[in-house]
Amino acid sequence: EVQLVESGGGLVQPGGSLRLSCAASGFTFSSYEMNWVRQAPGKGLEWVSYISSSGSTIYYADSVKGRFTISRDNAKNSLYLQMNSLRAEDTAVYYCARDNLVGATLDYWGQGTLVTVSS
Amino acid sequence: DIQMTQSPSSLSASVGDRVTITCQASQDISNYLNWYQQKPGKAPKLLIYDASNLETGVPSRFSGSGSGTDFTFTISSLQPEDIATYYCQQYDNLPRTFGPGTKVDIK
Repeated sequence: EVQLVESGGGLVQPGGSLRLSCAASGFTFSSYEMNWVRQAPGKGLEWVSYISSSGSTIYYADSVKGRFTISRDNAKNSLYLQMNSLRAEDTAVYYCARDNLVGATLDYWGQGTLVTVSS
Repeated sequence: DIQMTQSPSSLSASVGDRVTITCQASQDISNYLNWYQQKPGKAPKLLIYDASNLETGVPSRFSGSGSGTDFTFTISSLQPEDIATYYCQQYDNLPRTFGPGTKVDIK
């Protein structure tokens, strides 16, 4: 069974940093492209970042470019999101999501981890 | 960025009703469109990929159609467990963008 479990969320002050993790199991993690998607409280979904299976190709939404860094450790079956210079508008539930092998379709999602940026 | 719009933003229907949601892209995205269901407090779930393909394990009352800029998502016979918000999402261009969602509840 495919499982994605996020961790690392919490309360952080504006300007602070946080590192999210996503532990993957039930599939060959190193073969799949991965993403982070967020959802502000009561709002819709926003794609945040993408990383290829090898980690060699990375994309970011303009709203986080230069502040967030996506990475992965295929030996540990883990995906990460380093978030720096956090702003109030980064407050959201952050989901890790797997791309299917055929195209850029998010076929499995984790349960999400809440990040709250507030003083 | 490609903008996605959905209508209606919310709807209320009776059990057994046919429900239709439309999604429009700001430019041609071919069939690079997915539909997701999100129940309250839960992660989104993929229902339809490539505009019209039913994800494995998803009930056949869900369907999708369209190409180019105009897409339709249909629940042929609404069930109580279908109460959720439904999102369309394009992946023709980066950034991947989602529609604002359509909240479906039971009348």
